[in-house]
Amino acid sequence: EADIYQTPRYLVIGTGKKITLECSQTMGHDKMYWYQQDPGMELHLIHYSYGVNSTEKGDLSSESTVSRIRTEHFPLTLESARPSHTSQYLCASSEGLSYNEQFFGPGTRLTVL
Amino acid sequence: LAKTTQPISMDSYEGQEVNITCSHNNIATNDYITWYQQFPSQGPRFIIQGYKTKVTNEVASLFIPADRKSSTLSLPRVSLSDTAVYYCLVGGSGTYKYIFGTGTRLKVLA
Repeated sequence: EADIYQTPRYLVIGTGKKITLECSQTMGHDKMYWYQQDPGMELHLIHYSYGVNSTEKGDLSSESTVSRIRTEHFPLTLESARPSHTSQYLCASSEGLSYNEQFFGPGTRLTVL
Repeated sequence: LAKTTQPISMDSYEGQEVNITCSHNNIATNDYITWYQQFPSQGPRFIIQGYKTKVTNEVASLFIPADRKSSTLSLPRVSLSDTAVYYCLVGGSGTYKYIFGTGTRLKVLA
């Protein structure tokens, strides 16, 4: 059983608000990822991290930002939420070689009104 | 990054064996082939991974021909609970930007 957690699971918020989606893992994995997925659509990588203080943007351009100050924690922040940010956000982690298994969290379903 | 191509959807009946084939013509020498399963409103879950020939675990088998330009995920005797989206990914060491693509939407019918 993978120990990767995301909070909140569901969030409904008004336009212009700042939000932070939390992701934590207790497996000591060095690599962490954020994906964005609309219902029934592709999973898109928006951020990833090799380790502490290392973050990179993924393939899908996103207005969100991430930080990796601690190994176990990889929060995602939206400074000013917009309806176009409505989506499911999935966090994942992996260890060792980059093609190793990624463990996914349960996701946060964000709705911006 | 090696691009993968899979059927968009498949239907099967309970108890049948399901084979989902993925094409990856540009696979690199150090690339591995990995399959994930995703249920609605959940994150993907790792099923199986292989480099060449055949790999089998408790839930699936993965067949990879010698040229490695394709792979086939085999699910023996599917049940209704196997209804999900199945993704084929290709990548090796140094590949961080995995492309999940649209996957194959498998529907198992009673």
